[in-house]
Amino acid sequence: DTEVTQTPKHLVMGMTNKKSLKCEQHMGHRAMYWYKQKAKKPPELMFVYSYEKLSINESVPSRFSPECPNSSLLNLHLHALQPEDSALYLCASSQEGPGGNTEAFFGQGTRLTVV
Amino acid sequence: AQTVTQSQPEMSVQEAETVTLSCTYDTSESDYYLFWYKQPPSRQMILVIRQEAYKQQNATENRFSVNFQKAAKSFSLKISDSQLGDAAMYFCAYRSPWSRTPLVFGKGTRLSVIA
Repeated sequence: DTEVTQTPKHLVMGMTNKKSLKCEQHMGHRAMYWYKQKAKKPPELMFVYSYEKLSINESVPSRFSPECPNSSLLNLHLHALQPEDSALYLCASSQEGPGGNTEAFFGQGTRLTVV
Repeated sequence: AQTVTQSQPEMSVQEAETVTLSCTYDTSESDYYLFWYKQPPSRQMILVIRQEAYKQQNATENRFSVNFQKAAKSFSLKISDSQLGDAAMYFCAYRSPWSRTPLVFGKGTRLSVIA
């Protein structure tokens, strides 16, 4: 199983709403990531979790709040977003450990629209 | 810091023909991974092929092969017998095996396949 599952696939939210994006993998990967991708651009790294601890935050505004409840799950909590936050949000995971990091596997993404 | 450059924003190829997508990178490391990811309109990032820097042999996956020139820091992707389903954004990516920072992406090449 090389699948990373993201829900929901589409989300429309108002600027005062609170919503969450979910990501799940069962490959035993201990590194999980959130990326933001605008149209026709490469993904931009937002957060990295390693062994369920936040290891990298790429200066992301606090209206985005990540959470890693266990080694298989990754959430991204959204609050008071702006229209410019509309984008495709991708989750990914990879192995981590003495053997070194390898390729990342991506979910299908959540298409977020902020109105 | 590592950088990845894709100098061809758009490419097109006739169905059944061969096309080569270019990628160059800059790094001071001797051990690393290189990847080509495909992102079709369905938006999921799909790993096409990977190359370990310590391996001199070029990676091949069915109709996809790479030309890895370590000294020149070049990593091109060749798609043979192009099919309509190959139409997508293609991203070249670099990964250091020991860094917590995951993939460094190029800006992407949009490939169109003409029937």
